[in-house]
Amino acid sequence: DARVTQTPRHKVTEMGQEVTMRCQPILGHNTVFWYRQTMMQGLELLAYFRNRAPLDDSGMPKDRFSAEMPDATLATLKIQPSEPRDSAVYFCASGQRRQPPGQGTYEQYFGPGTRLTVT
Amino acid sequence: RKEVEQDPGPFNVPEGATVAFNCTYSNSASQSFFWYRQDCRKEPKLLMSVYSSGNEDGRFTAQLNRASQYISLLIRDSKLSDSATYLCVASSSNTGKLIFGQGTTLQVKP
Repeated sequence: DARVTQTPRHKVTEMGQEVTMRCQPILGHNTVFWYRQTMMQGLELLAYFRNRAPLDDSGMPKDRFSAEMPDATLATLKIQPSEPRDSAVYFCASGQRRQPPGQGTYEQYFGPGTRLTVT
Repeated sequence: RKEVEQDPGPFNVPEGATVAFNCTYSNSASQSFFWYRQDCRKEPKLLMSVYSSGNEDGRFTAQLNRASQYISLLIRDSKLSDSATYLCVASSSNTGKLIFGQGTTLQVKP
């Protein structure tokens, strides 16, 4: 049963520290997404990649967040420096364009998330 | 105005009841639609993709009305295990980017 994996599952850090979150997409999926979820904002798309190339990172605070995909099996999301308002659950999801009957839809499968607390 | 809107609920229903959730989307260019289920402190899980005019999977039926720009999810014979938050999602097929609603909370009571 193929799954998206994320590490770490939980992270507590102090304000100002660097945080790196990792994601291994499902083998064969060519699109990787990073989301952030909070009670107030719900699920927000931060950035996504297709075939390892960044397509859209408009949801990400550029000054402190960066997302990369060094190879097809690893995506990273970094926050430097972290702030208390970054506390949230960060999800990675991967997807692949479906053939009909989906007619080009992307079904996304989420990892278990990284629960980040910045004190 | 949010691009995908849902009634947050909560919907409290007895076991065996039929419950329906509605969702509206504002981007007429949206082409693909999904329902995800999220349990407390877990990741969203794909429940159903909604194709053309709708589809059925066991006790779950999803329908799409493009003219009115709304999607619905019907759950028949609800079980205690159906208690969760249901997320309505719209997507542009070209980008694969998903826009999530805030979710509707369902509590099924014995």
